Formats: sequence, C-alpha cells, structure tokens
Amino acid sequence: GESVGLHLPTLSVQEGDNSIINCAYSNSASDYFIWYKQESGKGPQFIIDIRSNMDKRQGQRVTVLLNKTVKHLSLQIAATQPGDSAVYFCAEKFADSNYQLIWGAGTKLIIKP
Amino acid sequence: SQTIHQWPATLVQPVGSPLSLECTVEGTSNPNLYWYRQAAGRGLQLLFYSVGIGQISSEVPQNLSASRPQDRQFILSSKKLLLSDSGFYLCAWSVVNEQFFGPGTRLTVL
Repeated sequence: GESVGLHLPTLSVQEGDNSIINCAYSNSASDYFIWYKQESGKGPQFIIDIRSNMDKRQGQRVTVLLNKTVKHLSLQIAATQPGDSAVYFCAEKFADSNYQLIWGAGTKLIIKP
Repeated sequence: SQTIHQWPATLVQPVGSPLSLECTVEGTSNPNLYWYRQAAGRGLQLLFYSVGIGQISSEVPQNLSASRPQDRQFILSSKKLLLSDSGFYLCAWSVVNEQFFGPGTRLTVL
C-alpha cells in the first residue's frame, strides 16, 4: 500500500498518562477493524478488534473507538506503561474480502519516564 | 492451540544467491496464509497470500515467489536476491478475520 514507504509517525507519552493512537481508514464498506502491537524485532500481536456495527469496544486497559462518519479509528491505552512501547498498526477488512487486511502506516509509541 | 513457526530467525545472504524461507502452522486446518515484508521503520507490505494448497496470489511484482506445497506450509523463495530484498519477513495465518503472525525472519542481503 501507499503507507509502506513512509516513516512511522511517533507519539511520545508520559508514563502513567493515557495514550490515544489514531488511524484513518479508506473504505466506508469495511466491516472489521483491528489493532496490532509490534515490539522491536517481533511479529505483530493482536490487541483488540471491532466490527462496523459497533462504536466502541473495551479490553484490558485498551479501548477502540470507531467513527464511521469520518472513517476514523482510535486506540486508547489507559495508564501507559513502559511495556506499551511499540509500533501500533491499525488494519481494516473490506466487506467483500475474506482474506486480506488493509494496513495503516503504523504509529511508534514512546513512553517517557 | 495454534502455533506458527518461521525459520531461520536471521539470515545474511550475498546478492545473487537463492533464498528459501519456510513457515509452518500447527493446530488449524485450511488456513489462509500470508507473506509480508517490513523494511526498517516502515509498515507492512503484503507480498503473497494463499487460500489453499497450490493457490498463490501475488500483490507486488518482484523477484520473489511463494509456494504452498502442503496445507500448513508456506515457502518464500527467490532465485537471485537483490540488495532491495533486505528486510523483516513475516508469515501470518488466518481463518476468519484476525491474522496471527510468526516471529519473523530478518534477511540482510550484502
């Protein structure tokens, strides 16, 4: 995709504060969205997902918000910890696809002590 | 439970040499399989995906190829590596929506 060649945007957050990572998606017909966390040198790991018929979903210390009107997805991490330092990717699945995820560019989250 | 294996973990190869990276999945049947490449500090680029044995779809034209000789085995190959093939190669599997990633192979072409 177009985002593959771009440098990752960075978000710096104070330890203990809440982090909000944003993502704009491309297809209004997408029916599934997912957030992944990738630590340095490792493969991405699932954090949380949400279907298009929902606006909000909560997990342990994480919340995903979906605004279909403006095609915007966000990941909120409560009480950010040093272990949250990673690159975070959003991805969408088009409703007419059973196989592929369309990936966002990623955001690097840096935790300041 | 399902697990995904990739090997080798790291690889240094000279330009023009061949490549073979292997990925195997355990604990699931007829998964969709994917090969991604990730350049340093960049996002994920889908290279190939497969919905069944012998079925390969290529997303990006390049000197790489993929094969799926068995249901849970996915192989990424090249006959002659280029410097631009350096990167972090990730294999993933899915059944419905969520994709599960392997640990990755760090390839350096010199």
